[in-house]
Amino acid sequence: DAKTTQPPSMDCAEGRAANLPCNHSTISGNEYVYWYRQIHSQGPQYIIHGLKNNETNEMASLIITEDRKSSTLILPHATLRDTAVYYCIVRSTGTSNTGKLIFGQGTTLQVKP
Amino acid sequence: DTAVSQTPKYLVTQMGNDKSIKCEQNLGHDTMYWYKQDSKKFLKIMFSYNNKELIINETVPNRFSPKSPDKAHLNLHINSLELGDSAVYFCASSLRDRVPEKLFFGSGTQLSVL
Repeated sequence: DAKTTQPPSMDCAEGRAANLPCNHSTISGNEYVYWYRQIHSQGPQYIIHGLKNNETNEMASLIITEDRKSSTLILPHATLRDTAVYYCIVRSTGTSNTGKLIFGQGTTLQVKP
Repeated sequence: DTAVSQTPKYLVTQMGNDKSIKCEQNLGHDTMYWYKQDSKKFLKIMFSYNNKELIINETVPNRFSPKSPDKAHLNLHINSLELGDSAVYFCASSLRDRVPEKLFFGSGTQLSVL
């Protein structure tokens, strides 16, 4: 699985869009990009995933660059409850070790009033 | 109803004791996991079970023994607890060999070994 690089921390004003970047320059063609988050004192929560195309769900949008070497998770209208550590994870579609997610240090997003 | 529930939420014990953490999921998933989050907040997989069969064992000391009585339950028993076992332990579940890998995590058990 390709290595990911994320900024250690970011701030965002409540109600504004939060854009969390992730670099995965060694990603290969069969690897998905996943985003999970961990709110304080809770277990990690799946947010979204993508392969090549941009994706959107009720929680967030995922923008993947055309060369797939980086991506951005967008929370369109951040609330205080979005304060959490956000993890960008790259996983092969053909993995045999299903569920063996490699969590790095992630980005601590602080949403401020 | 909580999808993945684990008990207890907090566990404080002395070195050398034996303790268990229980986990249950009501999502109908066939694969369950134990993850450990250490004091530096690094989250790492320990075990995974698919339909009661051990799939992943990440070189965890054999003092840790997972037990899966059925596919909805995965318990973690720890013998001879050591100070270094203090951590938060998370149970999770998913559908096996299914992409995307969407894991559902419990709220964690904070283990403190004194």
